[in-house]
Amino acid sequence: AQKVTQAQTEISVVEKEDVTLDCVYETRDTTYYLFWYKQPPSGELVFLIRRNSFDEQNEISGRYSWNFQKSTSSFNFTITASQVVDSAVYFCALSEFSSGSARQLTFGSGTQLTVLP
Amino acid sequence: DTGVSQDPRHKITKRGQNVTFRCDPISEHNRLYWYRQTLGQGPEFLTYFQNEAQLEKSRLLSDRFSAERPKGSFSTLEIQRTEQGDSAMYLCASRGLGERGETQYFGPGTRLLVL
Repeated sequence: AQKVTQAQTEISVVEKEDVTLDCVYETRDTTYYLFWYKQPPSGELVFLIRRNSFDEQNEISGRYSWNFQKSTSSFNFTITASQVVDSAVYFCALSEFSSGSARQLTFGSGTQLTVLP
Repeated sequence: DTGVSQDPRHKITKRGQNVTFRCDPISEHNRLYWYRQTLGQGPEFLTYFQNEAQLEKSRLLSDRFSAERPKGSFSTLEIQRTEQGDSAMYLCASRGLGERGETQYFGPGTRLLVL
C-alpha cells in the first residue's frame, strides 16, 4: 500500500535561513505523481508542484526548489532565504496510476514551518 | 479562473443532528473529490466523482455519510446523526483532463465542530 512519511513534525527557522522539508514515499507502482501543497492558517491547500515518476529533474521556482530521487524514494523541498510569509504547514502527497481514474492523493502528516522575524 | 468554493466555511452542530456541505468545483473540471482532515494530520480521501458518477468510496465513508453530484457540477456531502468524532475539516478538490489534469485543486474547506 502507498505511504508518505514526513518525519519532521515542526521546524522553526529565523528569517533568511534556508530550510529543507523531507518527504519519503512508498509505492509499488512504477507510474505515480508526487506533489507538495502549502496550508496556511486559513486552511486552504495551495498547490506548489507536481512531478511524475519518470522525471527526476530537479526543479527551481524562485526561492523554492525540489529534489526528487527515486533511488531513495524521496522528494524533498527546500526554501531558500525563508520569509515570515512562508510560515505554514507543508504537505507531501502521492497519487498512483494503479488507483484507476480516481488517482486519489495519499498525504503525509505535514511539517509545520515557522519562520521567525 | 474561479477556484473551488465550499459552503459553509464553518459549521457548529449538536451531536445527532444532520449536516450538509456544498462544493462547487472549477467549472471545466469533471472530477471531484472529498477529503477529511483532522487536527495535526494530512487530508484523507473520502470519495471521488467523475461527472455525476460516484466511482470510489473510502472505508472512512461510513453509512452515515452520503455524497452526491446530481448534474456533474456541484456536489453535496451529508452527514447524518453526527458524532463528536466527525469534527474535522472537510475539503473538496477538483481536477480536469490531460496532463495538467493530474493536479487536484482544493477549496477552502468546511470546518465542522460537533458538540
